[in-house]
Amino acid sequence: ETGVTQSPTHLIKTRGQQVTLRCSSQSGHNTVSWYQQALGQGPQFIFQYYREEENGRGNFPPRFSGLQFPNYSSELNVNALELDDSALYLCASSLGGDRYGYTFGSGTRLTVV
Amino acid sequence: AQSVTQLGSHVSVSEGALVLLRCNYSSSVPPYLFWYVQYPNQGLQLLLKYTSAATLVKGINGFEAEFKKSETSFHLTKPSAHMSDAAEYFCAVSDRGSARQLTFGSGTQLTVLP
Repeated sequence: ETGVTQSPTHLIKTRGQQVTLRCSSQSGHNTVSWYQQALGQGPQFIFQYYREEENGRGNFPPRFSGLQFPNYSSELNVNALELDDSALYLCASSLGGDRYGYTFGSGTRLTVV
Repeated sequence: AQSVTQLGSHVSVSEGALVLLRCNYSSSVPPYLFWYVQYPNQGLQLLLKYTSAATLVKGINGFEAEFKKSETSFHLTKPSAHMSDAAEYFCAVSDRGSARQLTFGSGTQLTVLP
């Protein structure tokens, strides 16, 4: 079975720009979550999608938005990038939530300059 | 809201020594608990999870953790450290809301000395 794949692996953007990060969930997984991991910190929950609907959101501003597609792949969009958005963005997929555990991708390293 | 505290941001052990990484959670209801490992420039790999079954949970690579409700703890142990265990370890608790998202601790960097 394939795992969770994220693209791109690295990205450099300028402050004020917009960025789209992509995630292909593990085969059969219908739930996708996005996390932001700043350097030296634990991941922080951004939001979760279940069957194409947002199913929960962490303490992130509206300029962080997402989509989930019928094949359960997902996008994270960030508008008006700020320097503090520089982080590793992790996508995690699951079959029905935490009981089964989440499978994480290797992440996208975003640098905002 | 759930929270997780990992005592010790850096832990060093000698190869072959016991590994003990500490995790305490705050919750009035026993949650689901997880330990993840992260190698440099990689995502998170699930080591083990507690989901209200046996309190002693065995995971991959020889790791295990014991859920102690009275102490609100879920410490990770391994009897004998290998060089390949050097990595960052995260304890996480899941929320019991609709999203069941994970709340992570700040991580413990494990160094294994030869």
